[in-house]
Amino acid sequence: NAGVTQTPKFQVLKTGQSMTLQCAQDMNHNSMYWYRQDPGMGLRLIYYSASEGTTDKGEVPNGYNVSRLNKREFSLRLESAAPSQTSVYFCASLRGVGYNEQFFGPGTRLTVL
Amino acid sequence: SQKIEQNSEALNIQEGKTATLTCNYTNYSPAYLQWYRQDPGRGPVFLLLIRENEKEKRKERLKVTFDTTLKQSLFHITASQPADSATYLCALDSLSGGYNKLIFGAGTRLAVHP
Repeated sequence: NAGVTQTPKFQVLKTGQSMTLQCAQDMNHNSMYWYRQDPGMGLRLIYYSASEGTTDKGEVPNGYNVSRLNKREFSLRLESAAPSQTSVYFCASLRGVGYNEQFFGPGTRLTVL
Repeated sequence: SQKIEQNSEALNIQEGKTATLTCNYTNYSPAYLQWYRQDPGRGPVFLLLIRENEKEKRKERLKVTFDTTLKQSLFHITASQPADSATYLCALDSLSGGYNKLIFGAGTRLAVHP
């Protein structure tokens, strides 16, 4: 099992450009999450999907959109990137209600110039 | 608002000693508390979970305590090794609408020296 995979690993954008970060898991997990991690701050939840077909806002959703394409895939879209969105983005999955351990992907390092 | 504090300064210890990391929280009553390990350039990896009605949890060389009165968790690594060097994150877990969400601390970097 590959676990949680993310693409791309690195990306540089100019202000105003758009892009989609991809995440996939092969563990048949129900819930998936997108976090951002900034220096000196904890991981902050952007959006999550409790199950296929549902998505909800987390702590810092502004400037982002998500799509739960199917049970395996959960993508994060930046429609008009801003320098404040420079960060490392992590996707995570969780088996479902009653389970607590989150499995994280390797991250995408995004720089917005 | 909910706040989690971990010591932002790196903890430097000698190999073989016990490392103790602290996680304090305010304005919050978590159902669970989790500890994760994060190596540079990688995603966090789950280590241990302790529930609000548990005082202590052990796994091999790891021990976690949870004091809901003090609003504090301590994370211990006994007989530490250089391979234990990493950043350790604590996360509070509460059920919200039936779905688990985590609130993370900024992490404490541990360096174990030979």
